[in-house]
Amino acid sequence: KAGVTQTPRYLIKTRGQQVTLSCSPISGHRSVSWYQQTPGQGLQFLFEYFSETQRNKGNFPGRFSGRQFSNSRSEMNVSTLELGDSALYLCASSLVSGGSKETQYFGPGTRLLVL
Amino acid sequence: DQQVKQNSPSLSVQEGRISILNCDYTNSMFDYFLWYKKYPAEGPTFLISISSIKDKNEDGRFTVFLNKSAKHLSLHIVPSQPGDSAVYFCAASAGAQKLVFGQGTRLTINP
Repeated sequence: KAGVTQTPRYLIKTRGQQVTLSCSPISGHRSVSWYQQTPGQGLQFLFEYFSETQRNKGNFPGRFSGRQFSNSRSEMNVSTLELGDSALYLCASSLVSGGSKETQYFGPGTRLLVL
Repeated sequence: DQQVKQNSPSLSVQEGRISILNCDYTNSMFDYFLWYKKYPAEGPTFLISISSIKDKNEDGRFTVFLNKSAKHLSLHIVPSQPGDSAVYFCAASAGAQKLVFGQGTRLTINP
C-alpha cells in the first residue's frame, strides 16, 4: 500500500498570501489529521476530518481551515500568511479515528517558509 | 499549556549503551501513551505504545515504562544503534480525544 502523500513538499510564500496544502491518505483510511511542527513546540494539532466532516479542532486561528473530499483526500488552507506560520505541516491518516488508540500514519510533510 | 513535556531537547549516547528518553504529562485523564520516531525529511513513524492499565510494554530493543503516580513516561532503547539517531516524540490521549505531542528529543548515537 502506498503511504500518506503530501504535496507540495516545499513552499515559499510571502506575508499576506494564502496557501493550500494537499494530503492523500493511505487507501482505505477515512480519518485525516493535520499538525504543525515548529522547533521547540513539537507537533501541534490543527484539525481532524472524517467522512468530509471536521471532527476535532485545535487552538489555531480561523486563518487555518481545511476540508476533506469524498475520496478522503484532504486540503488545508492558510490565509493571510504570517511569518510565524513558517513550519512543517504534517498530515496523518488512520482507518477510523484520528484520536487515541488507533495508529496514525504520517506523511513526509510540507515545509512552508513565509518571507 | 503544555500537557506533555519532553524536557531534554537533545540526548547523546554511545553505541551499544542504553538510551533513556523521558516524558512528563499533566493531564491525569490521559489513558494511552505513544512514542513516535522521526527522521529528517520524513514524517513521524509509530514506535511503541502503552495503555494506562499497564506499567511496562516491551517490543524488541524498545521498552516503554509508565509511572502514573509521577505522571512520567520513559522509553528505553537497548542496545542503542546508529540507526536510532532521530527525533523522538511522546504523545498522549484521553479517551477518543486528539493526540497531544511533546516537543521532541533529538537522540544522537555516537559510534
